[in-house]
Amino acid sequence: DIQMTQSPSSLSASVGDRVTITCRASQSITTFLNWYQQKPGKAPKLLIYAASSLQGGVPSRFSGSGSGTDFTLTITSLQPEDFATYYCQQSYSTPFFGQGTKLEIK
Amino acid sequence: QLQLQESGPGLVKPSETLSLTCTVSGGSISSSSYYWGWIRQPPGKGLEWIGSMHNSGSPYYNPSLKSRITMSVDTSKNQFSLKLSSVTAADTAVYYCARHIISTVTKPRFDYWGQGTLVTVSS
Repeated sequence: DIQMTQSPSSLSASVGDRVTITCRASQSITTFLNWYQQKPGKAPKLLIYAASSLQGGVPSRFSGSGSGTDFTLTITSLQPEDFATYYCQQSYSTPFFGQGTKLEIK
Repeated sequence: QLQLQESGPGLVKPSETLSLTCTVSGGSISSSSYYWGWIRQPPGKGLEWIGSMHNSGSPYYNPSLKSRITMSVDTSKNQFSLKLSSVTAADTAVYYCARHIISTVTKPRFDYWGQGTLVTVSS
């Protein structure tokens, strides 16, 4: 299995901040990497697929980058509705999610 | 707009079989382009993929759960289903159904999700 490790596990930030979350794969997954946002009591929502492609309807302040084993999700100018938990997911082999990064208001 | 809705018992006894159904609206489950999947999330924990299936058959399952999983598709009702046998307390989770794009050209992903349903395993 290809394991995914996210960092940090939690993060405090303020509205307007720029935030970066990282995800590392245990072996190369080229660009088979997705990012999801989950708010409490809600289903995950696809934000980024194929490492850097923005899902339709997702604000442009969200962006993804990386290939191989190291990936980042960047949110520029944090908005109040962005405080949530973020998961990466590799789609190179058996789908596997990272453990999540909880983004909290400072 | 595609919508998915899970349904099934919220309480299952240990050693019994968990059965859930996902009803798809706003689109056809018979589309050749998609698989249909299940993902679960134990309370306060992360996400675990359970399995995915095409309307023509060809399921593929998480190896760690494979011996206990059966998935099926009913195109006449636009539904797909999950059965998980021999459940224990460790199977207590919110269960989500989702549309699973599996194209290696555009890259696989779960793009539409149901709202989720909590299943508790307890006597």
